[in-house]
Amino acid sequence: DSGVTQTPKHLITATGQRVTLRCSPRSGDLSVYWYQQSLDQGLQFLIQYYNGEERAKGNILERFSAQQFPDLHSELNLSSLELGDSALYFCASSVEGGPLWGYTFGSGTRLTVV
Amino acid sequence: KNQVEQSPQSLIILEGKNCTLQCNYTVSPFSNLRWYKQDTGRGPVSLTIMTFSENTKSNGRYTATLDADTKQSSLHITASQLSDSASYICVVSYTDKLIFGTGTRLQVFP
Repeated sequence: DSGVTQTPKHLITATGQRVTLRCSPRSGDLSVYWYQQSLDQGLQFLIQYYNGEERAKGNILERFSAQQFPDLHSELNLSSLELGDSALYFCASSVEGGPLWGYTFGSGTRLTVV
Repeated sequence: KNQVEQSPQSLIILEGKNCTLQCNYTVSPFSNLRWYKQDTGRGPVSLTIMTFSENTKSNGRYTATLDADTKQSSLHITASQLSDSASYICVVSYTDKLIFGTGTRLQVFP
């Protein structure tokens, strides 16, 4: 167990729907990062939050949004889902505002859009 | 452009054999380089992390090397086991950002 908790583990939904993925960072970590990994592809950085504030943005679609709550857990919201959004979504956390050292991944949420 | 390239894309070896995975990067300024192991459908797990001044770092049967002058790193796996079958990802950090390689998929057969 890495200490980073992601729920749900699996999610199947239809096109056009909206889903919310949840991430609880490792105890003491202030930063949360979201990544998308499509089949046989590398990890694509989506967005980072640090202590409740958006810190960095990657290749995140406008249909996607995220937030980090006062208890430091984070949610990634995916709306108007398309078949191409099917992927593994990973959350990672670190202590500092940047991933210079401790950087831990969760076990991911597998999203299938049908 | 900051990039991390890994080779080979995929590799098949027999159990008990050694192998070496390569990572070349053009990231600047360089902070550190990490190797991760990712089992299929699971989150990446850190194997090693090296700074500019470190040439070699080991973690059990995994040994990573870094040549900061040529901007190359390698991950050597000794006496491979079936459980080593996974993707191995090289990640380079600069300032407060990470650049991910696309990984090498290793399959170990009995």
